[in-house]
Amino acid sequence: GENVEQHPSTLSVQEGDSAVIKCTYSDSASNYFPWYKQELGKGPQLIIDIRSNVGEKKDQRIAVTLNKTAKHFSLHITETQPEDSAVYFCAALFPGGGADGLTFGKGTHLIIQP
Amino acid sequence: DGGITQSPKYLFRKEGQNVTLSCEQNLNHDAMYWYRQDPGQGLRLIYYSQIVNDFQKGDIAEGYSVSREKKESFPLTVTSAQKNPTAFYLCASSQGPYSYNEQFFGPGTRLTVL
Repeated sequence: GENVEQHPSTLSVQEGDSAVIKCTYSDSASNYFPWYKQELGKGPQLIIDIRSNVGEKKDQRIAVTLNKTAKHFSLHITETQPEDSAVYFCAALFPGGGADGLTFGKGTHLIIQP
Repeated sequence: DGGITQSPKYLFRKEGQNVTLSCEQNLNHDAMYWYRQDPGQGLRLIYYSQIVNDFQKGDIAEGYSVSREKKESFPLTVTSAQKNPTAFYLCASSQGPYSYNEQFFGPGTRLTVL
């Protein structure tokens, strides 16, 4: 099955700086890569996603890049703000894997220092 | 408001007791999921259901049971056979499997075994 590795597990950046979270996946057939943000005591929420036919996608301060050859994808947050502090999860969807085809990374705790 | 709800938010159980966690969605989604979240472990799939009256085991189904008698409801029972049930449980739903469907998460239930 698919395996998703996520790094780092904890990331601390100064407010206003950029943050980058990286994920690698094992199955080259995976074709959909969502990113979720989870605030303390709440369920995860989708913040951005990318499909395998696209190399980069941007939504205001958030961007995701995908390198299919290297089988890795990254989340970029620019001009970080205190409300960006949360746990971020990447995931990869293996087609034909059924409803359990979405595999999550273990999460990155992003801390924005004032 | 359309969304997915879970109740209760906090649940305490004595060892040896079964307990049922509620999950309801009014998004008219076909697929529903249960995940378990432990610190540093990410999200692990317990059970999923693609359609009413059908459900499949995920990666960690032992000690859990589910039912899907109605499209909008997918309750999870944590049985006394689950060796380490203390965790944060997340329910999710999506329009359907096998495609790029966003999974919407509920707010979660924190279960503590005393």
